[in-house]
Amino acid sequence: DTEVTQTPKHLVMGMTNKKSLKCEQHMGHRAMYWYKQKAKKPPELMFVYSYEKLSINESVPSRFSPECPNSSLLNLHLHALQPEDSALYLCASSPSDGSYEQYFGPGTRLTVT
Amino acid sequence: DQQVKQNSPSLSVQEGRISILNCDYTNSMFDYFLWYKKYPAEGPTFLISISSIKDKNEDGRFTVFLNKSAKHLSLHIVPSQPGDSAVYFCAASPNSGNTPLVFGKGTRLSVIA
Repeated sequence: DTEVTQTPKHLVMGMTNKKSLKCEQHMGHRAMYWYKQKAKKPPELMFVYSYEKLSINESVPSRFSPECPNSSLLNLHLHALQPEDSALYLCASSPSDGSYEQYFGPGTRLTVT
Repeated sequence: DQQVKQNSPSLSVQEGRISILNCDYTNSMFDYFLWYKKYPAEGPTFLISISSIKDKNEDGRFTVFLNKSAKHLSLHIVPSQPGDSAVYFCAASPNSGNTPLVFGKGTRLSVIA
């Protein structure tokens, strides 16, 4: 299995809703990432988990809450989002043995109404 | 300040000809460079990479050239095919192991049949 999967593919939520994005990889990678990508812009890093511990939080608002239940799973919990949070949310993973390449999932297209 | 720059937002190339995508960087600590390809509504797909100890890396139709003194790299695709039409992101990493990538803004390549 050489892929990163993300669910759901599309999500529409109101500003008062609570939802979660899920990411899964079975490549034995020990680092996982959340990126946010707006249209016609490069991916922007949000969070990095290394060995299931949060190692980087790029000053992301608290309405985004990451969780790494185990080495294969990464969640992003969403609460009280704003319309400007609408974007493509990408999950990526990489091995922890010095490999630079990050492998991306297909993303979740989030629309906040 | 943008550390990774892709100054051409778009490029059109005839099928069968060479596509050359350029990328410049400012941070001399970057020592590993990657190219990602992205189709609409999909996550970025890793394409090819190069370490700073090399000046060229080739994989099939794709070749990446690195000029460290000029802080410049380029991706050559030859021959270009219509399926190569996508957005190409240049990314850089300052050291090994789980370091977040710094992405350029991307270049949209259109290969015309």
